[in-house]
Amino acid sequence: SYELTQTFSVSVALGQTARISCGGNNIGSKNVHWYQQKAGQAPVLVIYRDTNRPSGIPERFSGSNSGNTATLTISRAQAGDEADYYCQVWGSSTGVFGTGTKVTVL
Amino acid sequence: EVQLVESGGGLVQPGGSLRLSCAASGFTFSSCWMNWVRQAPGEGLEWVANIKQDGSEKYYVDSVKGRFTISRDNAKNSLFLQMNSLRAEDTAVYYCASSLYGDYSVLQFWGLGTLVTVSS
Repeated sequence: SYELTQTFSVSVALGQTARISCGGNNIGSKNVHWYQQKAGQAPVLVIYRDTNRPSGIPERFSGSNSGNTATLTISRAQAGDEADYYCQVWGSSTGVFGTGTKVTVL
Repeated sequence: EVQLVESGGGLVQPGGSLRLSCAASGFTFSSCWMNWVRQAPGEGLEWVANIKQDGSEKYYVDSVKGRFTISRDNAKNSLFLQMNSLRAEDTAVYYCASSLYGDYSVLQFWGLGTLVTVSS
């Protein structure tokens, strides 16, 4: 089955840029979606199909995908961005989530 | 406003059964693939199952195949998950999620979840 690997945790200073990676075999050939999950809350879609932002998601959130790595970038990080972030793709007829990255804003 | 409200969770003994429901509103339910996703305590997200708009296609993660059944009632804007032969490892918060119109792979909206605890 397809596997997605994420760094366990990322720390970013307030106002700086955080980059969250999602590794998978030839992931660049797949559509990658990203979800934000704050403590005690349900996940929220923040990027879909590699680079698209749903309505209401700040422009500070952006995505890219190439080769074996997809990346979620959070620019000008704010305290409210502190959360777990999960990448997700579709495998052979089933959904697959990454292991998750905990983002801490210092 | 889109709303997805799960219900039916609770404490059940190993080997027991439970039926989860998800009431949808604020969007055209019959036009969307629907999903169940779970999250064990302190763990990450795990996709469980999905169902096509008309119910003609259903897919499951290997660990629940033969034990869980996803279904829907478009007339009542409702999604269901029948869970049989429950195991301790099925303990999790179960989320209902709707897919983006025209793209089953994007989980656009999520409910708040319902907790299922499998324990004796």
